[in-house]
Amino acid sequence: EPEVTQTPSHQVTQMGQEVILRCVPISNHLYFYWYRQILGQKVEFLVSFYNNEISEKSEIFDDQFSVERPDGSNFTLKIRSTKLEDSAMYFCASQKPGLETQYFGPGTRLLVL
Amino acid sequence: GQQLNQSPQSMFIQEGEDVSMNCTSSSIFNTWLWYKQDPGEGPVLLIALYKAGELTSNGRLTAQFGITRKDSFLNISASIPSDVGIYFCAGGNAGGTSYGKLTFGQGTILTVHP
Repeated sequence: EPEVTQTPSHQVTQMGQEVILRCVPISNHLYFYWYRQILGQKVEFLVSFYNNEISEKSEIFDDQFSVERPDGSNFTLKIRSTKLEDSAMYFCASQKPGLETQYFGPGTRLLVL
Repeated sequence: GQQLNQSPQSMFIQEGEDVSMNCTSSSIFNTWLWYKQDPGEGPVLLIALYKAGELTSNGRLTAQFGITRKDSFLNISASIPSDVGIYFCAGGNAGGTSYGKLTFGQGTILTVHP
């Protein structure tokens, strides 16, 4: 069964450094999302992406965040200058057109020191 | 923004017991989804509900989309140890300006004692 994959599984970085989190959505899906989950809390929406542009973003998704689909398969989340409070699990999700069912990847655990 | 209240926060049950958890919202959703999350992993979709009043089963799991579109419940029958995990409800409103963003509940932590 097709799955959403994410790399790396874990990332440790110093405050102020840039990180890029990578996702490969399910191949026939057209809607892509990033969510984050701070330890012990609920999953929070960051951004949705469709037709090569951002559809919607949350208040969390400020100027330090950007997303890109550089080729036909990858979907990336970049944090330009990480802060301590960016430490969280980051989940990518993808969705097929016509069905509002999102499938999540295994996540990247980001730790900012 | 939209908020989902999920209850209970946690449950401790004996193997074989039935479990029920629910989510309520002050605003309507067009879709309700139920996910299970194991520690350190991503949410795994259990059941998707698309129509108000819909009752859907997936093995020992049954979920319903409330008539008012403001609530949903998930039942697990005859629980087993591998049911342990965190269960999340999520509401969606594709169309309009939301483009399918999901709003998640706070989660129900389920512990099953053998």
